[in-house]
Amino acid sequence: DTEVTQTPKHLVMGMTNKKSLKCEQHMGHRAMYWYKQKAKKPPELMFVYSYEKLSINESVPSRFSPECPNSSLLNLHLHALQPEDSALYLCASSQGPAGGVPDTQYFGPGTRLTVL
Amino acid sequence: RKEVEQDPGPFNVPEGATVAFNCTYSNSASQSFFWYRQDCRKEPKLLMSVYSSGNEDGRFTAQLNRASQYISLLIRDSKLSDSATYLCVLTRGGSNYKLTFGKGTLLTVNP
Repeated sequence: DTEVTQTPKHLVMGMTNKKSLKCEQHMGHRAMYWYKQKAKKPPELMFVYSYEKLSINESVPSRFSPECPNSSLLNLHLHALQPEDSALYLCASSQGPAGGVPDTQYFGPGTRLTVL
Repeated sequence: RKEVEQDPGPFNVPEGATVAFNCTYSNSASQSFFWYRQDCRKEPKLLMSVYSSGNEDGRFTAQLNRASQYISLLIRDSKLSDSATYLCVLTRGGSNYKLTFGKGTLLTVNP
């Protein structure tokens, strides 16, 4: 079962709100990812966690704060976002360093975020 | 030269047609290659990994030419359900975590 789940499916928030996006996988994957995708553009990598440690931050503004409470869960905390942050936020997971080549990423359905 | 270049299309083909997508990449250190499909307002879904020897999965055939830095996807006997955006994806050189996505090729299969 290659399933990654994300909640909520849709989120509308004001610029002063604090909210969190959640992602879960039960495939035993050790790498988890956050991506941002704007309309008609490919996904852009934001963060990578490997073995529950942040290994890549693609120079993402601090108003986005990732957290990996355990190997199955990944959160993205949002605070003081701007309207231009409105996008589809995708979570993905992969086996990670021990998984060999290719290390295939499986995507969740995403959270469609609107910042007013 | 862009990291990954794909013909954006759109490709409009009748059911039953054979259609081919091509993708070129600039980083010779890339190790892994994939085709993903993405339906409108949905997440990317893995279609197939691409191996040096070429690989086939039913109506889909993928090829990789490392010397020319080129990958391709062939879809035979197109179905209406094949309508989607097809993304050429590869790992950035030196990292198995970082994927580089092509901008995608939009395919519409018409009845």
